[in-house]
Amino acid sequence: DTAVSQTPKYLVTQMGNDKSIKCEQNLGHDTMYWYKQDSKKFLKIMFSYNNKELIINETVPNRFSPKSPDKAHLNLHINSLELGDSAVYFCASRTGIDTGELFFGEGSRLTVL
Amino acid sequence: QKEVEQDPGPLSVPEGAIVSLNCTYSNSAFQYFMWYRQYSRKGPELLMYTYSSGNKEDGRFTAQVDKSSKYISLFIRDSQPSDSATYLCAMSAAGANSKLTFGKGITLSVRP
Repeated sequence: DTAVSQTPKYLVTQMGNDKSIKCEQNLGHDTMYWYKQDSKKFLKIMFSYNNKELIINETVPNRFSPKSPDKAHLNLHINSLELGDSAVYFCASRTGIDTGELFFGEGSRLTVL
Repeated sequence: QKEVEQDPGPLSVPEGAIVSLNCTYSNSAFQYFMWYRQYSRKGPELLMYTYSSGNKEDGRFTAQVDKSSKYISLFIRDSQPSDSATYLCAMSAAGANSKLTFGKGITLSVRP
């Protein structure tokens, strides 16, 4: 039973398109995150939500819009995709804002052509 | 200076070797220190979790934190081919809205 699940696992799309990635966690955690991992494995936080409220919003282009319909789900929508958006996007969840282990999903590999 | 610096590697060692992985940091507010292991095409998973300074041992793995030097280490004894993965250090301050800041990760390959 997967703790943090993301769909889809792979996306290949053209520049200028819009795409969404969905994330669900069944751990009962209050806090969820989106991280971006580039080709050099650098993992950078993008957004964090606590109980459906946005609490961390790093310097991310407005083309990226997270949405949390409830505390178990955090989706990421990307408009007008660019080549530089190609990366692996990881969803993660944690017990609280500053406590506990961060559990990661398996990642969604986005390739923009 | 980046908040968290980690040797980029890659690192290749023979089976049975002792491996030492290190990170330095600049933010003196960091209180929680972690090591994550990431296998190819998988998400990172927590390996070791330490609060403040000191050592923590778990089987073949030992994590060390030296807050005075702003330096953390992960030691792997008797390394195995199954230890081949990318290792990322991560750290955070205490308090609400604190975020986990990762090092760039080092890819370790243990040769049989």
